[in-house]
Amino acid sequence: DAGVTQSPTHLIKTRGQQVTLRCSPKSGHDTVSWYQQALGQGPQFIFQYYEEEERQRGNFPDRFSGHQFPNYSSELNVNALLLGDSALYLCASSPLDSTYEQYFGPGTRLTVT
Amino acid sequence: EDQVTQSPEALRLQEGESSSLNCSYTVSGLRGLFWYRQDPGKGPEFLFTLYSAGEEKEKERLKATLTKKESFLHITAPKPEDSATYLCAVQAGRGSTLGRLYFGRGTQLTVWP
Repeated sequence: DAGVTQSPTHLIKTRGQQVTLRCSPKSGHDTVSWYQQALGQGPQFIFQYYEEEERQRGNFPDRFSGHQFPNYSSELNVNALLLGDSALYLCASSPLDSTYEQYFGPGTRLTVT
Repeated sequence: EDQVTQSPEALRLQEGESSSLNCSYTVSGLRGLFWYRQDPGKGPEFLFTLYSAGEEKEKERLKATLTKKESFLHITAPKPEDSATYLCAVQAGRGSTLGRLYFGRGTQLTVWP
């Protein structure tokens, strides 16, 4: 049973560019959450998707947007990249609207130069 | 405001030397408290969920306990392979933030032979 997968593993972008990160949830899971983890910090909640709708959003600017597809996979888009967007981006999935336990993917390391 | 504080920030133990990690939290209506293990550059690995004060969970050398204000992760006779960052997270029971996890900054544990 495949766990949560994310792509790409690493990404280097230049300030002002746009980036798209992808996530496939664990089998049987339909809720996807995205987190940003800066070096030495705990993960910070970006937003959560359920039934292809953004259900909740953390304190992140509108430059951060997302999407969920009918197969429950999800994308995170970040526009107008800033140096401060450099971080590990984590996707977590949970089953059938029971968001008690969230299982994380390996993350995408984004470096903005 | 929901908050999670972990202590100590870093802990060095000799193999076999038992100790405890602390997670204190402030949350309106705790829905669940979660412990994760994170290896460098990887996504958090789920360890335990605790739902109510007095609850305890065990897994190999790890034991998690919960009170109304804090949780402890006890590590008995640790081995070098237990070296990692241990993250604590809480989920609030309020509708507006239901589902999101609030993380502490983690405790970086190093176990030396």
